[in-house]
Amino acid sequence: DIVMTQSPDSLAVSLGERATINCKSSQSVLYNSNRKNYLAWYQQKAGQPPKLLIHWASTRESEVPDRFSGSGSGTDFTLTINSLQPEDVAVYYCQQYYKTPRTFGQGTRVEI
Amino acid sequence: EVQLVESGGGLVQPGRSLRLSCTGSGFTFGDYAITWVRQAPGKGLEWVCFIGSKTYGETTDCAASVGGRFIISRDDSKSIAYLQMTSLKSEDTAVYYCTRGRGVVEPAAGYWGQGTLVTVPS
Repeated sequence: DIVMTQSPDSLAVSLGERATINCKSSQSVLYNSNRKNYLAWYQQKAGQPPKLLIHWASTRESEVPDRFSGSGSGTDFTLTINSLQPEDVAVYYCQQYYKTPRTFGQGTRVEI
Repeated sequence: EVQLVESGGGLVQPGRSLRLSCTGSGFTFGDYAITWVRQAPGKGLEWVCFIGSKTYGETTDCAASVGGRFIISRDDSKSIAYLQMTSLKSEDTAVYYCTRGRGVVEPAAGYWGQGTLVTVPS
């Protein structure tokens, strides 16, 4: 199984500042034939199901604010939240969908 | 509007069985793979089982943690996917979410149901 490891487990960021979450996979999730990274980021607010923010490692969902961005390739990925807003308080998960089981990272809690 | 609605959760004794259902609407259910993801109380997300569409042979796969005890299936005529859970253990206690990819060939889970809670006392 591909192990996904996120860092840090939690972080506190001031309003308007930047939050950076890292995700490392135990093997590459870059599919060479199409040069796509099979990596997604999800946001889960308290009491709600997760919401897809970013897929293919860096493609933002249409309704997601552009302060959210994803980067990285191969085994190392980053979710950046620029200018943190109160509504961004949540737990964030990365997931690889390169192969089954499509494992998740352990989650990173973002607080103000 | 795409909707996924889970049902069938509840309190079940250890060793017993339970069947969860995931009913889809607002899309052609048979065109999409369905995945179950669970979340134990206060814990992270765990991928559970997957079933492909008929186009891809309805391939199934489940996590090792539930392998042999959980079976996923689908009835496209009813737009329902099932998760048959047997020999339940206390560690199976979780909210179970049904998910669908954002596209037919886009595996990232773009749609989630609200979840159904399964409680197995220790």
